[in-house]
Amino acid sequence: SQQGEEDPQALSIQEGENATMNCSYKTSINNLQWYRQNSGRGLVHLILIRSNEREKHSGRLRVTLDTSKKSSSLLITASRAADTASYFCATDSGGSYIPTFGRGTSLIVHP
Amino acid sequence: GAVVSQHPSRVICKSGTSVKIECRSLDFQATTMFWYRQFPKQSLMLMATSNEGSKATYEQGVEKDKFLINHASLTLSTLTVTSAHPEDSSFYICSAVGVAGGPSYEQYFGPGTRLTVT
Repeated sequence: SQQGEEDPQALSIQEGENATMNCSYKTSINNLQWYRQNSGRGLVHLILIRSNEREKHSGRLRVTLDTSKKSSSLLITASRAADTASYFCATDSGGSYIPTFGRGTSLIVHP
Repeated sequence: GAVVSQHPSRVICKSGTSVKIECRSLDFQATTMFWYRQFPKQSLMLMATSNEGSKATYEQGVEKDKFLINHASLTLSTLTVTSAHPEDSSFYICSAVGVAGGPSYEQYFGPGTRLTVT
């Protein structure tokens, strides 16, 4: 069964704007990861945040984790048309380090 | 960075035939590989976990006799879809975990294989 659920399912913005995607999950986690998938392609790992971390940055990406609310957000600042893709969160919990993926957020950045 | 390849990238086959998909870790040894299936605009669903030299572990609801997995070496896992039907048409993605991986390891994903069964 799916653990993470992304919100919104689809997001359409103009180039230069910020894009925020959220991920909620149901059970306590070890780690939460964000991935990117271009249409018809494999997944690219973006960021891993551990359960004892609250925020991580990587370039224009900022990920936050709120374990009390069982949620995470991915912020892409100053978006570019090339950021158009689907973004998935994946969580692992308990003794299993195999991540479970959510349905993803489809992001379209208009030039 | 670690690279995982898949072959073929696209395949069209007739109903009733079998199709083999290869997943290779190109610059690292992978003790564990995962096979996922993804329908359009849907999430990745884990089908099975493949460990080198042992039988694959299949997720609930995945027919092991239909989706044959072989992980014969530390750099190659294969998924064979036997007696394919149109409902098997999907995007199949593999991922690999390196030998040095431990808790909180990162998976390296292949580019995927688009299977169309006519």
